[in-house]
Amino acid sequence: NAGVTQTPKFRVLKTGQSMTLLCAQDMNHEYMYWYRQDPGMGLRLIHYSVGEGTTAKGEVPDGYNVSRLKKQNFLLGLESAAPSQTSVYFCASSYTSGVNEQFFGPGTRLTVL
Amino acid sequence: LAKTTQPISMDSYEGQEVNITCSHNNIATNDYITWYQQFPSQGPRFIIQGYKTKVTNEVASLFIPADRKSSTLSLPRVSLSDTAVYYCLVGPNSGNTPLVFGKGTRLSVIA
Repeated sequence: NAGVTQTPKFRVLKTGQSMTLLCAQDMNHEYMYWYRQDPGMGLRLIHYSVGEGTTAKGEVPDGYNVSRLKKQNFLLGLESAAPSQTSVYFCASSYTSGVNEQFFGPGTRLTVL
Repeated sequence: LAKTTQPISMDSYEGQEVNITCSHNNIATNDYITWYQQFPSQGPRFIIQGYKTKVTNEVASLFIPADRKSSTLSLPRVSLSDTAVYYCLVGPNSGNTPLVFGKGTRLSVIA
């Protein structure tokens, strides 16, 4: 099992450009999450999904959109990137909700110039 | 989710036992306590979860007093590879309330 994978691992964007981050999990988990982590900070939840076809806003959703068309995939989109979105993005998935175990991907390091 | 407070950083020498305490005064009856570990440049990894008293696994022990207003993560005989950030989270183990990660405790293990 690959667990949770993220594509790409690194990306540099110019202000105003758009991109999509892909998260895939092969554990048949219902719940999936996108977090961002800024230097020296904890993780902040951007959006999450409680099942295929569903999405919900987290703590810092502005400037991002998500889609969960397939159960195993969770996409994070930046329509018009801004320097404030420079961060490391982590995807996670879990079988159940709440504080039960989440499995995290390796992260995507995004720099917006 | 219950608000948690934990030290910003801790230092320890190799071979010592490390105890990281987390305060959660407003923990609810149906809340569980969960700890994650995050190595540099990696995503967090679930370590341990408990509701009351003591839980032990191959990585750590979790001590929870009767009033459950705090908890202590205990790492026995740490090594350099235990250098990481440790996060304490408190909340129900069901429902759709998402997790809230604070800044965690940065543990530095020194040779």
